[in-house]
Amino acid sequence: EPEVTQTPSHQVTQMGQEVILRCVPISNHLYFYWYRQILGQKVEFLVSFYNNEISEKSEIFDDQFSVERPDGSNFTLKIRSTKLEDSAMYFCARTGTRRNTGELFFGEGSRLTVL
Amino acid sequence: SQQGEEDPQALSIQEGENATMNCSYKTSINNLQWYRQNSGRGLVHLILIRSNEREKHSGRLRVTLDTSKKSSSLLITASRAADTASYFCATDAATGNQFYFGTGTSLTVIP
Repeated sequence: EPEVTQTPSHQVTQMGQEVILRCVPISNHLYFYWYRQILGQKVEFLVSFYNNEISEKSEIFDDQFSVERPDGSNFTLKIRSTKLEDSAMYFCARTGTRRNTGELFFGEGSRLTVL
Repeated sequence: SQQGEEDPQALSIQEGENATMNCSYKTSINNLQWYRQNSGRGLVHLILIRSNEREKHSGRLRVTLDTSKKSSSLLITASRAADTASYFCATDAATGNQFYFGTGTSLTVIP
């Protein structure tokens, strides 16, 4: 049973368009993360979200990106004005209420293709 | 950067052989974890070892951690074709709340 459900599984968009990727955690955990993985490359941290606020973000997570938990359940990553280099797999992950004692549970990812 | 580095980048072995992958990192950690990723899929947690532990076993997996050398190894014994995947180590810094992933080792087990 997946711990985290991500939609869409694959999205194709034109450069300059806005994209919203969604993550639905099965359980009501407090810490959420977005990671991205460019094809065949390393898994890169984007942002962590705790108690409905951004806890930490990487250099990649610039003004083009934003995260929200609009209805207290879905966790979204918005990418404004997409660029070709935004093409990647985007993974949502969650951990428990005690971050340092738990593993990360990942969704299956959303593949974004920017044309 | 805290990010780990796995080596080798790619490993190809015969079914039944053991596979060893290594991970090095840069700063103090709370724990180190290993994940597996089948092609095009999400990452699946395999095993977690805490900074005060030196070795841990889970089924055919054996993980070691040497905090003085800032390194870890993952040993998969009696490998199977189904073990073919990429394996990543991940560390969380003693401060902050990020999990840092390495570049991964691509393991191919030949039947």
